[in-house]
Parts: sequence; structure tokens; C-alpha cells
Amino acid sequence: NAGVMQNPRHLVRRRGQEARLRCSPMKGHSHVYWYRQLPEEGLKFMVYLQKENIIDESGMPKERFSAEFPKEGPSILRIQQVVRGDSAAYFCASSPFVGGQDNSPLHFGNGTRLTVT
Amino acid sequence: TQLLEQSPQFLSIQEGENLTVYCNSSSVFSSLQWYRQEPGEGPVLLVTVVTGGEVKKLKRLTFQFGDARKDSSLHITAAQPGDTGLYLCAGAGETSGSRLTFGEGTQLTVNP
Repeated sequence: NAGVMQNPRHLVRRRGQEARLRCSPMKGHSHVYWYRQLPEEGLKFMVYLQKENIIDESGMPKERFSAEFPKEGPSILRIQQVVRGDSAAYFCASSPFVGGQDNSPLHFGNGTRLTVT
Repeated sequence: TQLLEQSPQFLSIQEGENLTVYCNSSSVFSSLQWYRQEPGEGPVLLVTVVTGGEVKKLKRLTFQFGDARKDSSLHITAAQPGDTGLYLCAGAGETSGSRLTFGEGTQLTVNP
């Protein structure tokens, strides 16, 4: 039973390029969450999606960032025109139901480490 | 905005010692989770506490949720080098739905 799969593990982009981060949730999980972690900091919520729907994007920057979770295929976090401040580890998590509850823990992937040069 | 403050931020102890990590907030949470994160990996859930005053034990780890559901603690007895890692608390707010608020983490190092 594969866990949450994220790719690539490491991504290097130059300023102004686009970054596309992929997340395949655990089998049977229809809830996906994206978090960002800066060095020596906790995780900051970005967006919560269910299949084909964005449920909560209150943590997403208003510009350059977008996320989708199509009916088929992985969830994608897209960052356009990257800047150095976007350098961070981006983690995806999935849950079978609404996450954070006792019966629906979040399962995290191993993250994508984005470096903007 | 809900905030979770963890203390201490860094902790370095000798094998066999006991330690306690604290997670505090002025907000009430419907549930609180503790995760452990290794370098280069994602956080792994240790426990979820839901009821005020609840105590859960996981081998040498004891987790407690405050009576008012605003704070939590993690106590490790007889720490071992394998306990080394970043410990994160995360709260699910009563009004934030599934959005977890994470603390900044406690980096624990247990020296042999």
C-alpha cells in the first residue's frame, strides 16, 4: 500500500520559470492538502482540495500560485514566475475524510524541495 | 489567526534523561496532533488527542491535552538516540475545518 507520493523530490528553477509539483495521494484518499515549510520552521497551510474542487485556499498567495486535483491523475501545485522567496519544502498530505480528526489522520509525502536560483 | 507556540525550540539531552515539550495557544482546538519529522522526510503522525484532559501513551511517550483544549504536552521517558527528530504539534480549529495549524517545532537531539 503505497504512501503519498510526491515528485520530484528536488526541483531547481531559475527566477521567472515555472515550477510544477505533483502529489499522488494514498489509494482511497480523496482529500489532499498542500503545506509549505521554510528552513527551521513549522508547516504553513496552503490549500485543501477534493477531487476537482478547491475547498479552502486561504493559505495560498493570491498571485502566481495555483493548485488543482483533477478527476484523473495527481494533484498539481503550480508556481509561476518563481522568485527566490519561493524556495522551500512543499509537502502534500492526504486523508480519507476531512483531515485532522481522530478517525482521519493526515498522511504526508516526503516533500518536494524547491530551490530558486 | 490561530497560533501554536512550541517550547523549547531546541533540546539536547543525554540518553536516559526525561524531557517535556510544550505546545500552547490562546485558541481552542477541536483536536490536536503530534508529529515527528526526520530530515528529508515528511511528518509522521504520532497521536491525535480530542478530549480536554485526555492522556494518551505510546510506549515511552505520553501526550496530554489541556482541559481547555488550548495546550498540549509531550513527555518522553528515558530518551534514546532513536528519539532524535523534529517534533511538531498541530491543531485543528473549531472553525478552520480541516486546516491544521502547526507549531514551529522542537528539534530534539538525544546524545548516546
